[in-house]
Amino acid sequence: AQSVTQLGSHVSVSEGALVLLRCNYSSSVPPYLFWYVQYPNQGLQLLLKYTTGATLVKGINGFEAEFKKSETSFHLTKPSAHMSDAAEYFCAVNQAGTALIFGKGTTLSVSS
Amino acid sequence: ETGVTQSPTHLIKTRGQQVTLRCSSQSGHNTVSWYQQALGQGPQFIFQYYREEENGRGNFPPRFSGLQFPNYSSELNVNALELDDSALYLCASSPGQAINYGYTFGSGTRLTVV
Repeated sequence: AQSVTQLGSHVSVSEGALVLLRCNYSSSVPPYLFWYVQYPNQGLQLLLKYTTGATLVKGINGFEAEFKKSETSFHLTKPSAHMSDAAEYFCAVNQAGTALIFGKGTTLSVSS
Repeated sequence: ETGVTQSPTHLIKTRGQQVTLRCSSQSGHNTVSWYQQALGQGPQFIFQYYREEENGRGNFPPRFSGLQFPNYSSELNVNALELDDSALYLCASSPGQAINYGYTFGSGTRLTVV
């Protein structure tokens, strides 16, 4: 069965610092991988996705993620954090073609 | 283009009651999924509808049921509410049932069961 582990329930960075949110997955089939962001009292917004092809995926708001099959990882990065990046981030993997399996989420705090 | 809209945004129900949550898909999307997000957790898949047929279901009991209408809008019904059903319920739509399309999520309905 597919599963997702997000390392670190809370990550704190300073404005302008590198953002690194970790995600490891398990999947018995080639995975499709996603990162979503959730702002307070809102739904989920797709940041980026990996389906096939290039393993470095660029998303919205300056985020990118790299699919590393050998490490079963799909870590999310952003070179320079902005105050507006403070939110909850979820990594997800597909299951059986119809459902997304989400990790428990990582709260990103950005301080000035 | 309009996104996914859900109603109501908040509601409070008593244990044992029944509730119906509604979702309007994004224009052009024929697939709808529902997720339950408990406080402090990631969303959990309830079920998916494609062209009015359920084509996937997560580990939820039968008292969670749904419908999809010809205009691709959807309802989630929960019978015999329990305290643990308190959560944010998210609706998501996509232009097809293939997972690689990705989903567009609504802002959710916050259900509190007392």
